Amino acid sequence: SQQGEEDPQALSIQEGENATMNCSYKTSINNLQWYRQNSGRGLVHLILIRSNEREKHSGRLRVTLDTSKKSSSLLITASRAADTASYFCATASNTVSWGNLIFGKGTKLSVKP
Amino acid sequence: DSGVTQTPKHLITATGQRVTLRCSPRSGDLSVYWYQQSLDQGLQFLIQYYNGEERAKGNILERFSAQQFPDLHSELNLSSLELGDSALYFCASSPTDTVGELFFGEGSRLTVL
Repeated sequence: SQQGEEDPQALSIQEGENATMNCSYKTSINNLQWYRQNSGRGLVHLILIRSNEREKHSGRLRVTLDTSKKSSSLLITASRAADTASYFCATASNTVSWGNLIFGKGTKLSVKP
Repeated sequence: DSGVTQTPKHLITATGQRVTLRCSPRSGDLSVYWYQQSLDQGLQFLIQYYNGEERAKGNILERFSAQQFPDLHSELNLSSLELGDSALYFCASSPTDTVGELFFGEGSRLTVL
C-alpha cells in the first residue's frame, strides 16, 4: 500500500518556470526521499531529508519537510525540458531500522521548451 | 549508470509459465530490494535481502520467491504467471540494511500473454 501520496498527479509547465510537487504521508518516518524516473527507466535518487531536518537543497532542487503535517514538497527551479519525468516521494519507517521504502504514485512533470 | 544490473531487460511469456529475473547489485552493496511497478498499483515493495538473508517482506505473492546468493546477486522467481503479473520489476541495492539511498537497476519488463 502507498504511504506517500503526491500532488498533483500531473504538472505541465514552460521551460524556465518553477515546478512544485507535494507529498503527504501517513505514519512516522525516519527519512523521506525523492526519486526521478524517466519513462520506462530505472529510478534515480535525487535527495534524502531526515525527520529532524526541515529543508535541504541540491542544485536546482529544494526539499522541505513538515513532520507535524506529515508532508514534504519538492521544488525544481528554472526547469528545463530535460526535467520531464515522473517524480516520486518515498518514506522510510522509523519503527524499524531496516526495511523498505514505500513509494507514492508519483507526479508526472512535463516541461515544454 | 547506477551500477545495478538486471537481466533480462524484456521478457514475454505465457500464462502458467515460470520466469527468473536476475539482479547484480552495485559492488560492495549488501542489501538487495525487489519492487514491482504496474500502472494500477504503482511501485510495490516485494522483498529485501541483506547479505544472503531475508530482511523484510512486502506484498509478495506466494507464487513469487527470491533469494540472494553468496556472491550477493539475487534472483526473483515468478511462477504460475497470470496476466496481472505483467509489470516492470526493479531491483535496487544499498550498502547496508538500513534504509538510505537506493540504487535502482533499469528493470525487467515482464509481459504475460
